Amino acid sequence: DGGITQSPKYLFRKEGQNVTLSCEQNLNHDAMYWYRQDPGQGLRLIYYSQIVNDFQKGDIAEGYSVSREKKESFPLTVTSAQKNPTAFYLCASSLRTLSNEQFFGPGTRLTVL
Amino acid sequence: SQKIEQNSEALNIQEGKTATLTCNYTNYSPAYLQWYRQDPGRGPVFLLLIRENEKEKRKERLKVTFDTTLKQSLFHITASQPADSATYLCALDKGDSSYKLIFGSGTRLLVRP
Repeated sequence: DGGITQSPKYLFRKEGQNVTLSCEQNLNHDAMYWYRQDPGQGLRLIYYSQIVNDFQKGDIAEGYSVSREKKESFPLTVTSAQKNPTAFYLCASSLRTLSNEQFFGPGTRLTVL
Repeated sequence: SQKIEQNSEALNIQEGKTATLTCNYTNYSPAYLQWYRQDPGRGPVFLLLIRENEKEKRKERLKVTFDTTLKQSLFHITASQPADSATYLCALDKGDSSYKLIFGSGTRLLVRP
């Protein structure tokens, strides 16, 4: 089955620790995205990548880092510099077409203890 | 400033009625607008896309309109069912070639049996 997977589903982290969230897709999509969603709020773009080995900051990139070494993978690292990391993180992918329908993973809920 | 707004209050309707959700935007000139469904604790799922030169789009019980003069999209679910209860997000492109979407905060729909 084609799709996009995220792991883990739940993640707990102590303050001051870096943590990496996994995102993998087998849809052969060029573009991949990371969003953050807080209760009652919409999705806010953290980073996006339109092609392998290239990525751009979104609206809230501070305290986060990404890499895009393979087309299928776009991991997100939440660093200790992120002041309020507790949130629901969503990864998505899309073809690089004008319609740009995005396919989302199931999400990772990160809680900082 | 650029904004995309959806009614933050939940919409509560009786089964069988038509649900109408609103998405308004300011200071954007999108080429297309999309609607997604999100269930609690899960990633959004794409429903419909409508382009700037289309007035209306239908898919089964769903209908979307797009008025670029009013800068508004309406999302209708006819013959609503309790299974339609979810949060519905609208999203639009920024009118550039970045393949990024800007998401609204969503409207929660509750369909009573």
